[in-house]
Amino acid sequence: KQEVTQIPAALSVPEGENLVLNCSFTDSAIYNLQWFRQDPGKGLTSLLLIQSSQREQTSGRLNASLDKSSGRSTLYIAASQPGDSATYLCAVSASGGSYIPTFGRGTSLIVHP
Amino acid sequence: DTEVTQTPKHLVMGMTNKKSLKCEQHMGHRAMYWYKQKAKKPPELMFVYSYEKLSINESVPSRFSPECPNSSLLNLHLHALQPEDSALYLCASSQAQGAEKLFFGSGTQLSVL
Repeated sequence: KQEVTQIPAALSVPEGENLVLNCSFTDSAIYNLQWFRQDPGKGLTSLLLIQSSQREQTSGRLNASLDKSSGRSTLYIAASQPGDSATYLCAVSASGGSYIPTFGRGTSLIVHP
Repeated sequence: DTEVTQTPKHLVMGMTNKKSLKCEQHMGHRAMYWYKQKAKKPPELMFVYSYEKLSINESVPSRFSPECPNSSLLNLHLHALQPEDSALYLCASSQAQGAEKLFFGSGTQLSVL
């Protein structure tokens, strides 16, 4: 069974810092990996989707990388802003079978002015 | 239109009530999902509909009854719930089951008294 771990669980940083959020998974036979953002009491917003054949994806100040062999993905946030404060979740879809994503518990990020 | 719309946003119900949660999308997606999320926990998959047929039922108690009337609508009927069922209920959709980017609604915050 796929297990997804996110480190750190919580992070508090001053505005302007560059951040790295980590996601690790136990089964490297993945189909894709998604990073989501969730604001308190709200739904999830998909930030980046990386297919298993890809190494990274970029969107604005966000860059996500994937290393299947080591079972790791990182989300890099450049020049953090207070508006980036949210919980960031990683979800991994296994290849073969139902392709349903397994979620990590998330990293709760606070960026203070 | 890239939205998944959920109603109501908030719901308070007693243990003997019957209520329904509604979800709608007009992106032509053929897979729709119900997730349950407790505070500070990742979303837990409840049901998946693929091409309007129930594809996955994650051993959810029968007091939760899903329905997919057409390709754009997904309902979750609630009956005789327990206080521990209080949670954020999230609907999501994707182009196909599990293999594509997930779009989430903003959720229904349910409280069972």
